Amino acid sequence: DAGITQSPRHKVTETGTPVTLRCHQTENHRYMYWYRQDPGHGLRLIHYSYGVKDTDKGEVSDGYSVSRSKTEDFLLTLESATSSQTSVYFCAIRGTSGGETYEQYFGPGTRLTVT
Amino acid sequence: AQSVTQLDSQVPVFEEAPVELRCNYSSSVSVYLFWYVQYPNQGLQLLLKYLSGSTLVKGINGFEAEFNKSQTSFHLRKPSVHISDTAEYFCAVSSTNAGKSTFGDGTTLTVKP
Repeated sequence: DAGITQSPRHKVTETGTPVTLRCHQTENHRYMYWYRQDPGHGLRLIHYSYGVKDTDKGEVSDGYSVSRSKTEDFLLTLESATSSQTSVYFCAIRGTSGGETYEQYFGPGTRLTVT
Repeated sequence: AQSVTQLDSQVPVFEEAPVELRCNYSSSVSVYLFWYVQYPNQGLQLLLKYLSGSTLVKGINGFEAEFNKSQTSFHLRKPSVHISDTAEYFCAVSSTNAGKSTFGDGTTLTVKP
């Protein structure tokens, strides 16, 4: 168990509203990731972070922003939600404290519906 | 740039039969390779990984995979499947000099009684 929690676990929101999803880890991992999962598309990387205040874009970053002001928290914000952002969002961390193992550990996911 | 192709989107098999889930990758640099499993309404869990060394790697739940550099493949196998192996399986590749992974589109394994 990599100690990853996501909140909220489920959310329904209206088109045009801002939404923030939170990922929290308890083991001081350097790398954190946000993915979205849609049928037929596998997991697609939205943004990732390699340290406090250090973030980079993934393959589907348009319409999303992230922030990491503390090691343990990585926030994903949908600036103005659209129906195409209806998806399941997963947070992940990489490696273990004190060493690099390269595999990723995933949170339980957030199911977001934009109406 | 790197990419992953999972050659089968769905694989139905009968219980106790062998199974192979196929994964090919493309990368211009050395890679690490992974297989993950996702049960319904859960996040992904690591099944096994190849970082270096022996090309045959063993993972949890009786699964194994073989890294074939010349064919750029990393196929997942199990000699005898159980109903409980029904899940979605993802192959992933990570460059040794990068902090992120690329995932395939997934293969749904359905084990029938």
